[in-house]
Amino acid sequence: NFMLTQPHSVSESPGKTVTISCTRSSGSIVSNYVQWYQQRPGSAPTTVIYENNQRLSGVPDRFSGSIDRSSNSASLTISGLKTEDEADYYCQSYDDNNQVFGGGTKLTVL
Amino acid sequence: EVQLVQSGAEMKKPGESLKISCKSSGYSFANYWIGWVRQMPGEGLEWMGIIYPGDSDTKYSPSFQGQVTISADKSISTAYLQWSGLKASDTAMYYCARGYSSVYWGQGTLVTVSS
Repeated sequence: NFMLTQPHSVSESPGKTVTISCTRSSGSIVSNYVQWYQQRPGSAPTTVIYENNQRLSGVPDRFSGSIDRSSNSASLTISGLKTEDEADYYCQSYDDNNQVFGGGTKLTVL
Repeated sequence: EVQLVQSGAEMKKPGESLKISCKSSGYSFANYWIGWVRQMPGEGLEWMGIIYPGDSDTKYSPSFQGQVTISADKSISTAYLQWSGLKASDTAMYYCARGYSSVYWGQGTLVTVSS
């Protein structure tokens, strides 16, 4: 089994751009799609990015996803930060028999 | 519109059994995997297992194998997660989600186990 490692927390000011990384411990990051979920306090997770870089309907284009083979990692970039973007963000991927979640990153917008 | 609607919050005593549900609509239930995810208080997301309702093929995370049972009834488009002997450590929010990519999520079911 592989692991996905995310920074514990990031913070940035409104209007700025922030990038959250997700590094796969073993196996190639391109072996399976990566998803990103947003979870606000007291709410269920919602999908912001699926299949590496696809936005679910209704997700603003300020959210984008990418893959970097050289660092074996995925990234979620949020531009034009708004206070409503403050939440926990989780990356996720899978193999034939498992789903794996990253530990989550708390985004503070201040 | 894809929707996953979970059953309501439960409060149980240690040793009791429980079955929670996740009713799907807006897509062909039998043709998509549907899984369960645990979130303990203040913690991250943990994948528990997944079932393909079309043929009931089921896969479990090693961490949850033997601890829970996942099932599905395709006649009513509903997936289930059940315990035969709850422990206090099962206290958590449980989410269902569609597919290995978990693109669509239920609203969650809070399970509290306390004597």
